[in-house]
Amino acid sequence: QTVVTQEPSFSVSPGGTVTLTCGLSSGSVSTTYYPSWYQQTPGQAPRTLIYSTNTRSSGVPDRFSGSILGNKAALTITGAQADDESDYYCVLYMGSGIWVFGGGTKLTVL
Amino acid sequence: QVTLRESGPALVKPTQTLTLTCTFSGFSLSTSGMCVSWIRQPPGKALEWLARIDWDDDKYYSTSLKTRLTISKDTSKKQVVLIMTNMDPVDTATYYCARISRCVVGSSWHFDYWGQGSLVTVSS
Repeated sequence: QTVVTQEPSFSVSPGGTVTLTCGLSSGSVSTTYYPSWYQQTPGQAPRTLIYSTNTRSSGVPDRFSGSILGNKAALTITGAQADDESDYYCVLYMGSGIWVFGGGTKLTVL
Repeated sequence: QVTLRESGPALVKPTQTLTLTCTFSGFSLSTSGMCVSWIRQPPGKALEWLARIDWDDDKYYSTSLKTRLTISKDTSKKQVVLIMTNMDPVDTATYYCARISRCVVGSSWHFDYWGQGSLVTVSS
């Protein structure tokens, strides 16, 4: 059973930089998993931030960026703002028509 | 403008079968490469991918839930239906439908549009 791992929680100061990661319980994340990232605030549907590792979705500020860092996918927020306080989910495309979501990271900006 | 909207019962009893409908606009599921997925989220928990249906009627299911799930489409009505059998309280969740950008070789394999979700509670 493939498990996609994310930090359960993270904290960043306003204006600071934070990097959230997305790993695999077994193996390394690469671009071939087409990692994508979604932002979700309470009671709302997820919003697409990043896809194909590092492509920003339309309308997403450039303070959000995606990459591969070591053996994980990463979402970096540079110059964090108060309204970046959300849950962030990564999802990996495993092939054969199947996706697996990570457990999500709750980001606090304070 | 692409939109998706989920509909279905807010409450089902344990052991019952859940039928959810995703009604979409702004694209056609008869267009080559189009596909739609269902994703759920229990209260306070993470997202979980459930199923996908493609323009050519190919279907894919979560490994852990495939025995309980059936996905289908009605292209003319612009609807995708998810059926989940033998509902249990642990299936209480908000159920989302989402479009995948393109389901062909070379796709970016991401969910580009989401519905607002439909909360389903399983309780006797």
